[in-house]
Amino acid sequence: QSALTQPRSVSGSPGQSVTISCTGTSNDVGGYNYVSWYQQHPGKAPKLMVYDVSKRPSGVPDRFSGSKSGNTASLIISGLQTEDEADYYCCSYAGSLTVGVFGGGTKLTVL
Amino acid sequence: EVQLVESGGGLEQPGRSLRLSCAASGFRFDDYAMHWVRQAPGKGLEWVSGISWNSGTIAYADSVKGRFTISRDNAKNSLYLRMNNLGPDDTALYYCAKGGTTVTHPYFDSWGQGTLVTVSS
Repeated sequence: QSALTQPRSVSGSPGQSVTISCTGTSNDVGGYNYVSWYQQHPGKAPKLMVYDVSKRPSGVPDRFSGSKSGNTASLIISGLQTEDEADYYCCSYAGSLTVGVFGGGTKLTVL
Repeated sequence: EVQLVESGGGLEQPGRSLRLSCAASGFRFDDYAMHWVRQAPGKGLEWVSGISWNSGTIAYADSVKGRFTISRDNAKNSLYLRMNNLGPDDTALYYCAKGGTTVTHPYFDSWGQGTLVTVSS
């Protein structure tokens, strides 16, 4: 159950767009359309932002979108706002009863 | 409004046991899979275990397999995690998380605030 690979940090200015990548293998990200993304502010519980690669729960702004190509999933945040500054984690189903494997997390800084 | 409230964490010595609980409200508990996810201090998220609505499907991360046991009581709207043979690597904030309709569709759409487990002599 190796962790998925995410960049340690990304940054952008208000109004810009950023993309956070999540790279796995054909046994997890590439094999299933069960990738989800979570936002976590310091000292707070994670919040689901995207699930099933590109679906958004109700209440999540449409500035947040997800996609997948091969073994790499992406979270795209457009129109960056200061409140988007947080840690972001991807998670994928990894088959059989492995269920969930997370990425190592990406710190988003809004400059 | 979905509410998940964890309890049972604390300081425990290596090799000992702890039982975590999660009280759920605001949704039909027996319609959903439930999971435990942990976060070591200053580290990332790690999925620990998941259980289907009827306890028919249970899964564990390799790191806890054979030591941890997940269970649920739908009549009490409660989720549990029995942790045996604790080690320092089990030190973490343990979150209870509401899943989808099946264990093998792992997304976590509601989270508790977590209960801290510290393993140290």
